[in-house]
Amino acid sequence: QVQLQESGPGLVKPSETLSLTCTVSGGSISGYYWSWIRQPPGKGLEWIGYIYYIGNTKYNPSLQSRVTISVDMSKNQFSLKLTSVTAADTAVYYCARQASGIDYWGHGTLVAVSS
Amino acid sequence: DIQMTQSPSTLSASVGDRVTITCRASQTIRAWLAWYQQKPGQAPKLLIYKASNLESGVPSRFSGSGSGTEFTLTISGLQPDDFATYYCQQYESYSPSTFGQGTKVEIK
Repeated sequence: QVQLQESGPGLVKPSETLSLTCTVSGGSISGYYWSWIRQPPGKGLEWIGYIYYIGNTKYNPSLQSRVTISVDMSKNQFSLKLTSVTAADTAVYYCARQASGIDYWGHGTLVAVSS
Repeated sequence: DIQMTQSPSTLSASVGDRVTITCRASQTIRAWLAWYQQKPGQAPKLLIYKASNLESGVPSRFSGSGSGTEFTLTISGLQPDDFATYYCQQYESYSPSTFGQGTKVEIK
């Protein structure tokens, strides 16, 4: 059974960089697309972007200038960096596996942007 | 970029009702559409992929249809466990992915 676990700081200061890592267990990163999705409190889902296991990426155009997703196959992990954060970036951040549809999700981690 | 318009935003229904939720894409996405159910405090759960394929373990009262730009999720015989928020997601390969705004299914 594939499991995903997000890790990283729960509080980030405005203008700094949000960094999260997703550790995949119970399966290999090879052969799949790996996504980040976020959900501001009380709001809907927003797709941030994905990375294919060989490194190809695609990002949400509204975030593209601030987002980097990377993969570390040796650790079975992929990561998210979001620069120059503001309060509008406060959300639950999910990592997930995109097959045909997103079939595996992490539990999500709340990241608050506040000084 | 492809925009997804989901309707209605809220739906009030009773146990046993047949419920339909619609998603419209701003451009054709062929059949690259998924439906998810989300309950408070939980990650979304995949119900339907590629427009009409039922994910393993999902009850058969859930069904999806459509292609191109118009898609529907139907729940035939709403159960107490089905009161939740539902999202569509397009994942057409030529475009960044996007989610619909969500439909909250409430108890009437």
